[in-house]
Amino acid sequence: AQRVTQPEKLLSVFKGAPVELKCNYSYSGSPELFWYVQYSRQRLQLLLRHISRESIKGFTADLNKGETSFHLKKPFAQEEDSAMYYCALLIYNQGGKLIFGQGTELSVKP
Amino acid sequence: DAGITQSPRYKITETGRQVTLMCHQTWSHSYMFWYRQDLGHGLRLIYYSAAADITDKGEVPDGYVVSRSKTENFPLTLESATRSQTSVYFCASSERDQVAIAPQHFGDGTRLSIL
Repeated sequence: AQRVTQPEKLLSVFKGAPVELKCNYSYSGSPELFWYVQYSRQRLQLLLRHISRESIKGFTADLNKGETSFHLKKPFAQEEDSAMYYCALLIYNQGGKLIFGQGTELSVKP
Repeated sequence: DAGITQSPRYKITETGRQVTLMCHQTWSHSYMFWYRQDLGHGLRLIYYSAAADITDKGEVPDGYVVSRSKTENFPLTLESATRSQTSVYFCASSERDQVAIAPQHFGDGTRLSIL
């Protein structure tokens, strides 16, 4: 069954510390994975898509098919990074349906 | 992404009432989706639509009805609202292209409270 797991509900770090938000997936096909971010009272925004291999706002994520993971990393957290982060798996043969993880709330303290 | 608008932004209603949440997109995307967002559950898919007049159930469809008579609109109706349907509802749209999978674009959400 397709599934996305984000094991941490809350991750609290100090400004300047490294951040890693964990995401593991279960999918028999070739995975397409995304990270979305939701700042307080704002709409969901796409942060990263693994096929683009890009770095947005200092965040990167590498797909590890062996470990079925797509962890989101940033070397130095900023207070404005505080938000809810969702990992999502695209089920391409079902209308492009996204399956979301439960989300991880990142709190960056000064 | 001003191309998706949801209305209303906030709604309070009573148990047993019928409620319709509206979603309109201006991109002519083929695919549209309704998600609900709840603490501890993240986002869960309610219904989705691959094109006008084509809809299908997601993870949590019970108690909801959708229609898609026009490509740009995808209303979600709670036929007889229950307190368990208190949530934030997000509409999304997407379009496949030949080069890459287009990620979904989300609306601002509708915060629905059922008393």
